[in-house]
Amino acid sequence: AQSVTQLDSHVSVSEGTPVLLRCNYSSSYSPSLFWYVQHPNKGLQLLLKYTSAATLVKGINGFEAEFKKSETSFHLTKPSAHMSDAAEYFCVVSETGTGRRALTFGSGTRLQVQP
Amino acid sequence: GAVVSQHPSRVICKSGTSVKIECRSLDFQATTMFWYRQFPKKSLMLMATSNEGSKATYEQGVEKDKFLINHASLTLSTLTVTSAHPEDSSFYICSARGDRGYEQYFGPGTRLTVT
Repeated sequence: AQSVTQLDSHVSVSEGTPVLLRCNYSSSYSPSLFWYVQHPNKGLQLLLKYTSAATLVKGINGFEAEFKKSETSFHLTKPSAHMSDAAEYFCVVSETGTGRRALTFGSGTRLQVQP
Repeated sequence: GAVVSQHPSRVICKSGTSVKIECRSLDFQATTMFWYRQFPKKSLMLMATSNEGSKATYEQGVEKDKFLINHASLTLSTLTVTSAHPEDSSFYICSARGDRGYEQYFGPGTRLTVT
């Protein structure tokens, strides 16, 4: 079984300051991990993904995440927040060891960026 | 590449009627399509997984007779909400995956409102 826990339901930062969105996962198999962003009333956009290659993953729009197996974490970071980053962020796990490879979504973190 | 569309983007229907939502992969062949439901300010919940030409696999608690899924071709899957009720109002999102790799590409979602 697999699960994802996003530790913060809501994060508020000032424009230009760093962003940290926390995610912990649980998986019986080697996981693939993703971060998706969803703007209001929009679909999901893939920010980045980890698939057992480099543990530090760089994504779009300046986001990156580090896979830490010992901590079962996959936190999302960005050095400097922009107003356009305000959205809902989902951490997602997929178990690569199973044929089905279904995605399990975290509960989401709403990022607010203050001017 | 890897674009997935949904139609309609928004639909309002009366209680007791049926509504069909289409999910299309525009530039790749989707051997597997997934249907998710998202409640307001909540995460995505997988409803069902469908493989082209075979019956959909529904998640526990999802009524297969209420949410009819058809995946008749490699580029089209449909979700029909039968005898809709106000509690079926939600944001429905599809995703599609090709026969190579594991990444799912998400559609923009359909907002269903049942009055």
